[in-house]
Amino acid sequence: GNSVTQMEGPVTLSEEAFLTINCTYTATGYPSLFWYVQYPGEGLQLLLKATKADDKGSNKGFEATYRKETTSFHLEKGSVQVSDSAVYFCALSGPFYNQGGKLIFGQGTELSVKP
Amino acid sequence: AAGVIQSPRHLIKEKRETATLKCYPIPRHDTVYWYQQGPGQDPQFLISFYEKMQSDKGSIPDRFSAQQFSDYHSELNMSSLELGDSALYFCASSLKGLAGEETQYFGPGTRLLVL
Repeated sequence: GNSVTQMEGPVTLSEEAFLTINCTYTATGYPSLFWYVQYPGEGLQLLLKATKADDKGSNKGFEATYRKETTSFHLEKGSVQVSDSAVYFCALSGPFYNQGGKLIFGQGTELSVKP
Repeated sequence: AAGVIQSPRHLIKEKRETATLKCYPIPRHDTVYWYQQGPGQDPQFLISFYEKMQSDKGSIPDRFSAQQFSDYHSELNMSSLELGDSALYFCASSLKGLAGEETQYFGPGTRLLVL
């Protein structure tokens, strides 16, 4: 079945450092790919998404490119801030015709940014 | 902008009791998803509804049931509660696209503690 694998955390960085969180997936067909962020004690917020191969999702300085050839959707940010400290979830849904719209999540990567 | 509303935000129950969680989707959204997130775990899909009909079912125990009402709000009913049911329960809503592409927007969650 479909699955998502993320790099294990926690990841600890200094402010203004470069961030990469690796995400790979297994799926039939062409799923949609997402990054969600969960701040302490809060719900899941959509960070960015990509719905087809070579699409780049971006938001708040974060970027991720849908790579069909490597089945990856790595999250990057050029300069992290303390306020980026959170748990990041990579997720996929679909393809709709045989998997419906439910999200399948990776195990989450905790990011801690120090001043 | 209106978001997904969940109530209650916190709930404490004893073993073998019953709990009802409510979800109010974003206006005009036609699909509701329920997820369960155990401590330190990734969210797991439970069940979904599209236009008031069950559309997909995941790892939802037989002790749980859910429905979507005519005003599109949804309720998750949990009976014979067990200690292992202690978790964060998320509701997400979306609007189905023509190709099944959709983005799910999550509520803040209901934190259930079973004693």
